[in-house]
This record gives sequence, structure tokens and C-alpha cells, in this order.
Amino acid sequence: AQKVTQAQTEISVVEKEDVTLDCVYETRDTTYYLFWYKQPPSGELVFLIRRNSFDEQNEISGRYSWNFQKSTSSFNFTITASQVVDSAVYFCALSNFNKFYFGSGTKLNVKP
Amino acid sequence: GAVVSQHPSWVICKSGTSVKIECRSLDFQATTMFWYRQFPKQSLMLMATSNEGSKATYEQGVEKDKFLINHASLTLSTLTVTSAHPEDSSFYICSARDFAEISYEQYFGPGTRLTVT
Repeated sequence: AQKVTQAQTEISVVEKEDVTLDCVYETRDTTYYLFWYKQPPSGELVFLIRRNSFDEQNEISGRYSWNFQKSTSSFNFTITASQVVDSAVYFCALSNFNKFYFGSGTKLNVKP
Repeated sequence: GAVVSQHPSWVICKSGTSVKIECRSLDFQATTMFWYRQFPKQSLMLMATSNEGSKATYEQGVEKDKFLINHASLTLSTLTVTSAHPEDSSFYICSARDFAEISYEQYFGPGTRLTVT
């Protein structure tokens, strides 16, 4: 069975703080993809990153970075020097081609 | 590329009426499209998977007669909420898989907010 767990329901930080959003997944598939999406109040999902199961390299994109560790089945997302515009709900998801499995989401509040 | 649109972006309808939501892949062909439902402060819940030219596959607990899905072409899928009731009010999101990609990715539409009064 596939499962994605985002244990942090809501996180509040002050602007310029670093924040890490946790994502733990379960799957028996050897080939799968992991994703992170941002959902602002407008509702539209904004794609942030895709990573396949064979690529454990960490990735950095501006203030965003992702840490993929198959040994712990985790795909954590860090925002460095957070900004108010980062306030949103963030979803981690796992895809095994047939379906997407979404985590419950983490609401990030960045206060000025 | 890989843009998915939904129409309408929001709709208000009266209880007992039916409402149709369209999902289009604008710059790619989608053999498979997906429909999700999202309640406030909750995650996305997969309702059904539709393949072009065949019947949709519904997830357990989703009423097939209430949520009619048609995937008549490689770029269009529709979701019709029949005899809508206030409890059907929700945010509906569609996604599509690119026919040309051997990929596990789905491209998501912007969503449709349905309010049933």
C-alpha cells in the first residue's frame, strides 16, 4: 500500500527564519516519483519539484531545497529565509504511475 | 507546456440541479485524466480515473450516478454533478497525464469551486 505522511499540520515562523517541512512515504514499488506542491489560498496547485526513486541527489532551487533519503523513506523540503509569500499549504505526493497519493498537507504561516 | 484548464473556475447552483465541469489539456493529448475533490483544510481525494473512450474507474465510496465522468476526446474530460446538494459543495480539481510521456507526472488544473445553495 502507498502512503504519504506529513506529520506537521501547521507551522508558524517569523519572516527570514528557515523552515523544514517533513514528508515520509511508504511504498513497495521500486519505481516511483515524489512531488511537492504549493497550494496558495486561490487553490491552484503549484508544482515545485519532482524526483524519481533512482535519483537521491538533493536539489536546491533558490531558497528552496529538498532532501531525499530512501533509507528513511523521507523527502523533506526546506525553505531558507522564509518570506510572507511562502505562506500556503504544501503537499507532498507519491506517484506510482497509476495514481497520486497525497499527504495531508502542511500549512505554513510566515509572519512579518 | 503541459497546461490544463478547467471551466468554470467557480459555480453556484441550486440544490437539485446538475452542473458540468470541463477539464481540458491545452497543449498535449491526455489518454488519462483524474478527478479530485478537496474539502476545506483537507487533502485532495481521488474520485475517479478516466481513460479516453472508456468508462471511468471510480474510487471506493464515490457514487457513480452522482458524479458522471465522460472522457470523449484526448483533450477533454467532463465531470457532471447530478442533482447537486449542499454536501456536494467542494473544490474539484482535475489532472491529466501526457500521452507522449512515459511519466508518472500529472498536470493539474486550477480547480473549480462548487457551491450548492
